[in-house]
Amino acid sequence: AQSVTQLGSHVSVSEGALVLLRCNYSSSVPPYLFWYVQYPNQGLQLLLKYTSAATLVKGINGFEAEFKKSETSFHLTKPSAHMSDAAEYFCAVSDGEGNKLVFGAGTILRVKS
Amino acid sequence: AAGVIQSPRHLIKEKRETATLKCYPIPRHDTVYWYQQGPGQDPQFLISFYEKMQSDKGSIPDRFSAQQFSDYHSELNMSSLELGDSALYFCASSLQREESYEQYFGPGTRLTVT
Repeated sequence: AQSVTQLGSHVSVSEGALVLLRCNYSSSVPPYLFWYVQYPNQGLQLLLKYTSAATLVKGINGFEAEFKKSETSFHLTKPSAHMSDAAEYFCAVSDGEGNKLVFGAGTILRVKS
Repeated sequence: AAGVIQSPRHLIKEKRETATLKCYPIPRHDTVYWYQQGPGQDPQFLISFYEKMQSDKGSIPDRFSAQQFSDYHSELNMSSLELGDSALYFCASSLQREESYEQYFGPGTRLTVT
């Protein structure tokens, strides 16, 4: 079975500061990993994905994540937070194409001015 | 670009009633997924279809059923509704044939059971 743990249900950063959202996964097979963002009362938007190619993945809106197999981690970062980044972020894992996503509990990012 | 369409966007039902949620995947996408997101919770997988055949099943109650039609749209049917069924229901679609591994989510249907 696969699972995802997101450390910190709430993260608060100042505008312009580094954003770091933590995600650790558990998978018995090589995982496919994703970060989604959800704004209030909206659907889930894919930020980036890891599918066994480059370990450093760049996504939309300046976000990137690094797959570290030895640490079973896939942390999301952004060098400089913007007010518009305030949202809830979900890390998810899948064991293959066409297979279900298993989500973490989510991290709510707050950006202070 | 076309996105996943879900209807209705909001639905209010009473206990023991029936609800039908519809999902129209992105054109050419061959796989549809349904997820349920309770208040303050992460999305939970319910069921998926590939080329109109059920491909996987998650923690979907027996009171729920779903199918994918010949035009690839999907419907989630929910009977004997309970207060605990109040949630945001997402449909997602993907194109397995191209192995993009991406699931594109619709805006969701917010179901409120009173």
